[in-house]
Amino acid sequence: DQQVKQNSPSLSVQEGRISILNCDYTNSMFDYFLWYKKYPAEGPTFLISISSIKDKNEDGRFTVFLNKSAKHLSLHIVPSQPGDSAVYFCAARGSSGDKLTFGTGTRLAVRP
Amino acid sequence: DTAVSQTPKYLVTQMGNDKSIKCEQNLGHDTMYWYKQDSKKFLKIMFSYNNKELIINETVPNRFSPKSPDKAHLNLHINSLELGDSAVYFCASSRQGPGKLFFGSGTQLSVL
Repeated sequence: DQQVKQNSPSLSVQEGRISILNCDYTNSMFDYFLWYKKYPAEGPTFLISISSIKDKNEDGRFTVFLNKSAKHLSLHIVPSQPGDSAVYFCAARGSSGDKLTFGTGTRLAVRP
Repeated sequence: DTAVSQTPKYLVTQMGNDKSIKCEQNLGHDTMYWYKQDSKKFLKIMFSYNNKELIINETVPNRFSPKSPDKAHLNLHINSLELGDSAVYFCASSRQGPGKLFFGSGTQLSVL
């Protein structure tokens, strides 16, 4: 049962444009959401997070939006840079707070 | 200084063998985890330990035995390796419970 879904396995964007990565979840008990970025041969690194009591969180070029009614969150990167090329994982934590559930990732390629 | 380090980075072995993967974190975190990323790129939690105490055992076969000699170390021992155990195994840590996780760079296990 895949509770966190990233339906786009890949995304290609021109440098300087906006990248929008999407994530859907099914479990209404999730109360905290995170995005991780992963380069090849490295572990995922934390990027940005959002609590379920908010609908937006911004950190520099990265903004995460949460639509609880739609059970949907998105990560916006603007402007996109070639160094942003990586796999992005969405993750969610249940209100019991015991573990993170990850999506399968979206591979972002930013073209110069 | 690497925050979460795991060894070895690559492990190639025959079916039926026993192998171990070591993990150490120097962040002073209380909680450590083992995640498995399979061929479909799912990143699934296997175990979590808090201050050397097992918190989560996510229906992992008992051929997998984690050991935490102290809160800075969480090793993974795998008995009687099977072809389906081939995957990338990530160690991670967090300050208190799941949220902002710090991952190691992964161990690529190939069972032949």
